[in-house]
Amino acid sequence: DTGVSQDPRHKITKRGQNVTFRCDPISEHNRLYWYRQTLGQGPEFLTYFQNEAQLEKSRLLSDRFSAERPKGSFSTLEIQRTEQGDSAMYLCASSLAGTPGNEQFFGPGTRLTVL
Amino acid sequence: AQTVTQSQPEMSVQEAETVTLSCTYDTSESDYYLFWYKQPPSRQMILVIRQEAYKQQNATENRFSVNFQKAAKSFSLKISDSQLGDAAMYFCAPSPETGNQFYFGTGTSLTVIP
Repeated sequence: DTGVSQDPRHKITKRGQNVTFRCDPISEHNRLYWYRQTLGQGPEFLTYFQNEAQLEKSRLLSDRFSAERPKGSFSTLEIQRTEQGDSAMYLCASSLAGTPGNEQFFGPGTRLTVL
Repeated sequence: AQTVTQSQPEMSVQEAETVTLSCTYDTSESDYYLFWYKQPPSRQMILVIRQEAYKQQNATENRFSVNFQKAAKSFSLKISDSQLGDAAMYFCAPSPETGNQFYFGTGTSLTVIP
């Protein structure tokens, strides 16, 4: 397994457009997480799935944001009507439930720039 | 909720020397883990070292070790024999044993001087 992958790595869009990001977790991992990271800050939790169920959402995840994990494997994060404040790195991570400390493995991220 | 403070936004160290990065946290959890993650420039975040809060012995992983002071809620990372490849952002992250997310600090940017 090559680890967590994310696509695309970079996305430039105009304000008001919709964007969708994809994350492929490590194959045997049943948990998947989305974080947002702005320049000079640590990652902030957005949402988390166990298998296909979305179990937790941060208040940071406004109604313009939606995440899915339809078959319990890959996940998508969609941002509708993008705003300049959405510009950030979007990180995906995965883990296997029951592992000590719930150690998470991170993908390379998708850098979003909203013009 | 948990808060994490990394009071050193930037640190520098001479190659082959030792550097210590500090982290303090606040949690009401009794069982938790503490992680240090490294994020090299334009590369993905990787785990450096992990500490179980119930263990008194400090974790060690090759050149990386921690000084865990549970009562003080302090979790510092020591890097010995610093190498150029250690240059990165370092994030401290506590995680409740039953929790499902990490709470990251604001990070420390480490520069290694040749």
